[in-house]
Amino acid sequence: DSGVTQTPKHLITATGQRVTLRCSPRSGDLSVYWYQQSLDQGLQFLIQYYNGEERAKGNILERFSAQQFPDLHSELNLSSLELGDSALYFCASSVEGQGAVSTQYFGPGTRLLVL
Amino acid sequence: GQQLNQSPQSMFIQEGEDVSMNCTSSSIFNTWLWYKQEPGEGPVLLIALYKAGELTSNGRLTAQFGITRKDSFLNISASIPSDVGIYFCAGHQPTGANNLFFGTGTRLTVIP
Repeated sequence: DSGVTQTPKHLITATGQRVTLRCSPRSGDLSVYWYQQSLDQGLQFLIQYYNGEERAKGNILERFSAQQFPDLHSELNLSSLELGDSALYFCASSVEGQGAVSTQYFGPGTRLLVL
Repeated sequence: GQQLNQSPQSMFIQEGEDVSMNCTSSSIFNTWLWYKQEPGEGPVLLIALYKAGELTSNGRLTAQFGITRKDSFLNISASIPSDVGIYFCAGHQPTGANNLFFGTGTRLTVIP
């Protein structure tokens, strides 16, 4: 158990819909990262938040957004869903945010299926 | 984005055999990490390497940070059935950002 929790574990929805994925980082970790894992693209970094502020952006679509709340949990919002958005979405957390590299611990993931 | 090349893509080995897999990049990395992912789970950190040339062990696992900073290998000795899974290399680039770039994965099957 990494200490990172994610809900829900599975999500099935239809094209055009909007969903919210939730992540709680390990106790004491200030950084949260979101990754997408699909069969054809592997694990891809989406976005990072550090202590409530956006810190880095990766291959995140404009239809996707995230935020980190004062209690440090984070939500990833996916809107206008397309079939190709079906994937595993992982959250990871670490102590540091930038400048000092720190180990990332991953949650169990949310499996999203868009029909 | 940057992706690391891992080889082999998959391996089928007999229980008790040693395993070796590696990861290469066209650009340098500040850290190399090795993760294992089992079905339905998130990646679990196995070994972290922070310095070029560093050789680190974790039980039956040994990993090295290549001297050029563009590669890393992972060895598993005396494999057991529970070693089955997908092994990913990952790393941080020297950009100041803390996000990870991941390899394409090596799927390991251990035959009892």
